Parts: sequence; structure tokens; C-alpha cells
Amino acid sequence: GDSVTQMEGPVTLSEEAFLTINCTYTATGYPSLFWYVQYPGEGLQLLLKATKADDKGSNKGFEATYRKETTSFHLEKGSVQVSDSAVYFCALWMDSSYKLIFGSGTRLLVRP
Amino acid sequence: ETGVTQTPRHLVMGMTNKKSLKCEQHLGHNAMYWYKQSAKKPLELMFVYSLEERVENNSVPSRFSPECPNSSHLFLHLHTLQPEDSALYLCASSQDSDYNDEQFFGPGTRLTVL
Repeated sequence: GDSVTQMEGPVTLSEEAFLTINCTYTATGYPSLFWYVQYPGEGLQLLLKATKADDKGSNKGFEATYRKETTSFHLEKGSVQVSDSAVYFCALWMDSSYKLIFGSGTRLLVRP
Repeated sequence: ETGVTQTPRHLVMGMTNKKSLKCEQHLGHNAMYWYKQSAKKPLELMFVYSLEERVENNSVPSRFSPECPNSSHLFLHLHTLQPEDSALYLCASSQDSDYNDEQFFGPGTRLTVL
């Protein structure tokens, strides 16, 4: 079935470091892809999304490009801040199933 | 209040207790969801309601019983739970359930079953 695989965390970085969180997916069709972020004590919030191949989603300095050939949607940020410390979830949506399918989440810890 | 709210934020219950989780959305959305978040596991979709009708029951044990009295409120009634049911239960809403709309999440209820 459809699924999402994320790199295991935690990912620990110093402030202003470059961030990559890997996400790959398995789907029988052409899903829409999402990154959600969960700050401590809060619910998930949509960070960015891409709905078709080669689309790039971006928000708050984060970017991810929908790569159909590698079935990937890696999250990147050029310079992380302490306030970016959170859990990041990759997810896909299939029109055929009307479900948002999440990965297991990657915890990011940014140190000053 | 704005967005999606959930009460209580924390709940400890014994296996023989009956309790309910409450979710309220103030966004005018038509679809509401219950998810279970366990450590190091993907979020598990439990139930989906669209216009107060249940459209998805993702093989959830009958000890979890949802109720959607109107489009703004969603409940999860709990009875005779097991310790493995301890988790963070998240409520979410979206404009509709059949499109890739953004889902808006509440902060969750942290449930501990003793």
C-alpha cells in the first residue's frame, strides 16, 4: 500500500547549519506531498506542499521538491534557527483513498 | 477561541473506566478526523467524519467510539482500554474530506491507561 519513509531522528544541528531531512514515498498513483511540523506541546501545522512532479514547496525558509524519478520529497533549509526545533512529518495524499498518510516523524534539535 | 481545540489535554484512566475526549473546531470546516500518535510510529488515522457522517473507520477496535453531533464538534468515547492504547490523540479538521486540503490539528490529548 501507499507509505512514507522518513529518516530516523533525532537530528541535532548547530544554529545556522544546513538542514536536510529525507523523505521517500511509495504510491501507486500520483500523490500530493506535504511537510507538517509539530512544535512542542502543539498540534501539527502545514509547513509546505507540492501537488505534482517537479513542484517546489517553500515556506519560512524551508524548501522541498517533488521528485517523481526518485519518489522523494526531501526537506531542506539553508540556515536553521533554535526556533526550528520541532518534529517534522512528511505525508502524502492520494485522491483514490482520500487519506493523508504520514511518516513516523523526524525530531530536529537546534543548539545555539 | 480559534482553530482546533481539544479537552482535556491530559487524561489518566484505568482499564475499567469510561471517559470521553472532546474536539471543537472554529474554522467552519466540513470534515473532522481522529488520529493516534504513538512514539516512533506514523500517525494512525482512526476516524473521518464529513458533514457529520462517518466516512472512514480505519479498523479501530470497538473500545473507541466516535461521535459527531454537528460539524463543529467531535468526541471520542473510551471504554475498557488497554495500556497499549496510551498515546497522544490528535483531532484535525479540513474544509472537505475528499480533496488534498490542509488539515488543521489540535494540540492533542495525552492519554495514559494504567
